[in-house]
Order: sequence, then structure tokens, then C-alpha cells
Amino acid sequence: NAGVMQNPRHLVRRRGQEARLRCSPVKGHSHVYWYRQLPEEGLKFMVYLQKENIIDESGMPKERFSAEFPKEGPSILRIQQVVRGDSAAYFCASSLGEGSYGYTFGSGTRLTVV
Amino acid sequence: ILNVEQSPQSLHVQEGDSTNFTCSFPSSNFYALHWYRWETAKSPEALFVMTLNGDEKKKGRISATLNTKEGYSYLYIKGSQPEDSATYLCAVSGSARQLTFGSGTQLTVLP
Repeated sequence: NAGVMQNPRHLVRRRGQEARLRCSPVKGHSHVYWYRQLPEEGLKFMVYLQKENIIDESGMPKERFSAEFPKEGPSILRIQQVVRGDSAAYFCASSLGEGSYGYTFGSGTRLTVV
Repeated sequence: ILNVEQSPQSLHVQEGDSTNFTCSFPSSNFYALHWYRWETAKSPEALFVMTLNGDEKKKGRISATLNTKEGYSYLYIKGSQPEDSATYLCAVSGSARQLTFGSGTQLTVLP
């Protein structure tokens, strides 16, 4: 039973390029969450998705960032026109349901913008 | 936005010592509290999920308690071992369904 798979593990982008981060949840989990860890900071919520729906995107910057979780395939976090301040570790987690269900985390994607 | 605070920020203990950390959160609008263990270069690993006031959970030498009325949870480690060294994260969900994480307590167990 594979856990949450994130790829790539490491991603280097030049300023102005696009970054695409992928997350395949645990089989059977329909709830996906993206968190960001900036250098020297804790995990900050970005977006919560269920299949084909964004439930809560209150933690995601309004510009340049978007997320999707299509009916088929992984969840994608997309960052357009990356800037140095986007350099961070991006973690995806999945769960069976809301609230009292535990999250299973992926190993993260470390994005470096040069 | 929930404010989840953890203390201490970091902690060094000797092997064999018992230790505990605190997680504080707003007692209103509480739904569930989660504890995670996070080792460097790995993904956070779920330890406990607690929802009821007075809940106590145990996993080996690690246990946790929950007081929702006063808004705190304690995580205890009995007889700390070097392999317990990690960051321990507390996270809380309220009416907003996602988890809000504290900044963690970084534990170092010295042999």
C-alpha cells in the first residue's frame, strides 16, 4: 500500500519559469491538502481539494498559484512565473475524510528558484 | 485562523529521561487535534488523533492527553532514546476543515 507520492523530490527553476508539483494520494483517499514550509518556518496550509473541487484555498497566494485534483490522475500544484521567495518545501497530504481522520504526508518537493 | 502554539521550541534531554511538551490552541471551535513526528528529510508521521476532552492515547513509550476546555494537549515520552530525536508537531482542526500546525518542538536525545 503505497503512501503519498510526490514528485519531483527536488526542482530547480529560474525566475519567471513555471513549476509543477505532483501529488498522488494514498489509494482510496479523496481529500488532498497542500502545505508549504518556508525556510526557518513551520508548515503553512495552502489549499484543500477533493476530487475535481477546491474546498478551501485561503492559504494560497491569489496570483501565480493554482491547484487542481482531477477525476483521474494526481493533484497538481502549479506556480507560474516563479520568484526567489517561492523557494520552499511543498508537502502534500491525503486523508480519507475531514477533521478526525489522520493525514498521510508525502516526502515533499523542494523547490529552489535561482 | 487558528493559533496553535507549541512549547518549548527545542529541548535537549539525556537518554533515559522522560520529557513532555505542550500544545495550546483556542478552546472554542475545536474539532480535532493531531500529533505528528517529523524526522529530518522524511515526511511527518502521524502519532495520534484526539477529539474528546480527557482523551488519552498511548503508543509504546509515547502518550498524549487532551483538554479541550482549557485548550491544551501534552505529549509525553517515557525513557527517551536517541531515535526519539525529531520535531514533534501538533495540529488542530476547527470549523475550517484543514489542519493548522504549530511550529513544532525539536527534541534532541543525547546518548
